[in-house]
Order: sequence, then C-alpha cells, then structure tokens
Amino acid sequence: DAKTTQPNSMESNEEEPVHLPCNHSTISGTDYIHWYRQLPSQGPEYVIHGLTSNVNNRMASLAIAEDRKSSTLILHRATLRDAAVYYCIRIYNQGGKLIFGQGTELSVKP
Amino acid sequence: EPEVTQTPSHQVTQMGQEVILRCVPISNHLYFYWYRQILGQKVEFLVSFYNNEISEKSEIFDDQFSVERPDGSNFTLKIRSTKLEDSAMYFCASSWGEQMNTEAFFGQGTRLTVV
Repeated sequence: DAKTTQPNSMESNEEEPVHLPCNHSTISGTDYIHWYRQLPSQGPEYVIHGLTSNVNNRMASLAIAEDRKSSTLILHRATLRDAAVYYCIRIYNQGGKLIFGQGTELSVKP
Repeated sequence: EPEVTQTPSHQVTQMGQEVILRCVPISNHLYFYWYRQILGQKVEFLVSFYNNEISEKSEIFDDQFSVERPDGSNFTLKIRSTKLEDSAMYFCASSWGEQMNTEAFFGQGTRLTVV
C-alpha cells in the first residue's frame, strides 16, 4: 500500500509552472517523501526528496506542508520532455524500498 | 553521468524455461534492487540486496526467483521456471545508501515475454 494519494492525471501548457499535489495524511515523523517520474518506455527516474523542509534542485522544487500531511512537486517551467507519470512515494524508516502507486500522468501541451 | 545498465533489453522465453536478467549497477553503490512492471500496471518491488544477501523481499519474490552478485560488478535476477504471468518489464536499481535518504538509479529495463 503506497499510502499516498495523487490525482490520476493533470495537464499543463509548455513553459508554464506545474504543481503536482500529493496527500500523505498518515505519514509518520521519520518517513521521507520522494518523487520519481517515469517517461514513456523508460525506467523510473529520481526527481527530488525531502523530510520536513522545502527542497530545491535543478529539476524541481518540493514544498512540504508544515504538518507534513501533504506535499507539492513544482516544475517551474514545463517542457514537452516533462510529460511522464509522476510518483509521490513515502519511504518508511524500515529498509526504504520504494512502494509505487498509480502516480499522476502529466501531459504537456505545446 | 553514471548509469545502471541492463541486458538484454528484450527477452522472449518459453514457459517453464529458466531466464537470467543481468544488471550492472553503478560502481560505488552498495544497495541493489529489482522491481517489475506488468504492462499497464504499477511498478512493484521484488527484492533488495545489500552486503551479499537479501535484505528484503516481497510476496512476489517466491522460490522461483533468486538474485546473485556473482562478481564485483554484476547483479542478476534468475527466474527458475517462467510462467506466463512473469511477462513484464524488470527494472534493476542501485543506490549508495538506504533509499530513505538517497536517490535510486534505475536501469532502462528488460522486457520479458513468456510464451
């Protein structure tokens, strides 16, 4: 059980920001939030992860709610290449395997 | 940029045959994983491997499956007697630390077709 909830699909326009939400209301204090994405016909690809604070890297930003029950992945300027399934994954403090849910399928329109 | 490589990219096998899927993880990584994805379904965890032994396995990873790190570079998944329902994409992944606070690097996958 992934224990995260994401919308099935979202649409965005190229060059515009995208905010991908994730609900993880039962998260515990030591669980990390990871985001991976899977482009068509490829393996999953790491995007970003965090615990409590907002995080930025070259791919995206991760905004984690103060109560940690939700988070938002932010792509600052969507490109056509960002069209993929985005997975929000909660990693338990017990070995750390990735439990994938259905994810959010992001489509980007030119 | 370092990458995880998997061979072959596509394997077709007859039901009941043994298959070995091969992976070369990133060289300084210590944790190794196999996942699978049946067409149109979620990515599923199979097994994790650390310090030359299985650290965790899922219900899917029954006695028909085994993993091995035969030398310092390869990491293999063996399916002893394949079934039709084993048809899937199999992804190998590696990380330098436990996945909790590190990123996992995935290979491009091996598409296994059992006929």
